[in-house]
Amino acid sequence: GAGVSQSPSNKVTEKGKDVELRCDPISGHTALYWYRQSLGQGLEFLIYFQGNSAPDKSGLPSDRFSAERTGGSVSTLTIQRTQQEDSAVYLCASSLVADTQYFGPGTRLTVL
Amino acid sequence: AQRVTQPEKLLSVFKGAPVELKCNYSYSGSPELFWYVQYSRQRLQLLLRHISRESIKGFTADLNKGETSFHLKKPFAQEEDSAMYYCALRRGNKLVFGAGTILRVKS
Repeated sequence: GAGVSQSPSNKVTEKGKDVELRCDPISGHTALYWYRQSLGQGLEFLIYFQGNSAPDKSGLPSDRFSAERTGGSVSTLTIQRTQQEDSAVYLCASSLVADTQYFGPGTRLTVL
Repeated sequence: AQRVTQPEKLLSVFKGAPVELKCNYSYSGSPELFWYVQYSRQRLQLLLRHISRESIKGFTADLNKGETSFHLKKPFAQEEDSAMYYCALRRGNKLVFGAGTILRVKS
């Protein structure tokens, strides 16, 4: 079946602009995760959604970052007033509860 | 704090040579550990998990609680093993990743 999809694959923006990144999880997966992959930094957890529970936002680096998940499926990660240090690959993953996480191809964000 | 350390940024070996990718962790309790791999231009994917005690693509990893390590090993490297490898630790609902090691297998 279809895996996790993300859009856009690449996004170039100017410092100070807002961006939205989209994730479509695997159908039936109740858990959805966002991670950030920076050069030399590995993968950094950002936020976790599970069903209708309140999301775990403990990894969001600042209040410029927010995410929502509509209808228990598609998720959008929003970064407001982007800064150059926000440049990274943003990865989405989904899973059944506490099971293997399946990753999307990522969105490469470049802030000029 | 729970942490995963991969001390090598790059490991370069010749085809047919043994490979060991190092991973050390800090965790109070019973850890659940994983190795993920990302081949060139492909998405990150699970390679193996310690609770499965399986061998995938010839790779194995043994959890050593005394040394708090979960090193990834393969007796004979192949060129198609060249990739980025991440060690990860489950902490609640999320994964804590190491910085990753690039494995380069030379012919």
